[in-house]
Amino acid sequence: GDSVTQMEGPVTLSEEAFLTINCTYTATGYPSLFWYVQYPGEGLQLLLKATKADDKGSNKGFEATYRKETTSFHLEKGSVQVSDSAVYFCALTLDSGNTGKLIFGQGTTLQVKP
Amino acid sequence: DTEVTQTPKHLVMGMTNKKSLKCEQHMGHRAMYWYKQKAKKPPELMFVYSYEKLSINESVPSRFSPECPNSSLLNLHLHALQPEDSALYLCASSSTTTGFSPLHFGNGTRLTVT
Repeated sequence: GDSVTQMEGPVTLSEEAFLTINCTYTATGYPSLFWYVQYPGEGLQLLLKATKADDKGSNKGFEATYRKETTSFHLEKGSVQVSDSAVYFCALTLDSGNTGKLIFGQGTTLQVKP
Repeated sequence: DTEVTQTPKHLVMGMTNKKSLKCEQHMGHRAMYWYKQKAKKPPELMFVYSYEKLSINESVPSRFSPECPNSSLLNLHLHALQPEDSALYLCASSSTTTGFSPLHFGNGTRLTVT
């Protein structure tokens, strides 16, 4: 079935370090891919998205490229801040299904230390 | 600021109580969702409404009863819950249920069943 696999956390980095959170997917159709972020005590916020192969989503210094050949959508940021500490979820949805159903990865906790 | 508003933020209820969770959005979205999130886990889909009609029920127990009175409002009626139903309940909306439409989440209602 369709699924999303994220690297296990927690990921602990020092401020200004480079961030990569790996995400790979399995899907039978043509998925749209998303990264959501959840800060403590809050709901999920859309961080970025990509709807077709080779698209690059970007927002707030974060980037991810839709790689169909490796079925991946890795999240990167060049210089993290303490305020980036949160849980990051990779997710997909299938346009062909037209259900709106999001399939989430397990989430990766990022902790950034000053 | 989130564009999906959920009330109340916190709710404590006994197993014999009846309560309701409310969700409101004014983005003109025609799809609305209820998700349940346990600690350190990704959200799990419960219900999807598309154009005010229930389109997906993920085999949720009948003690959870959704209602969509109009395109801006979504309720979740709770009755005879169990302690294991304690969780963060997230409402979300999207413009449609197609795969290209990202979900916008509220900050959730943290429910404790005693």
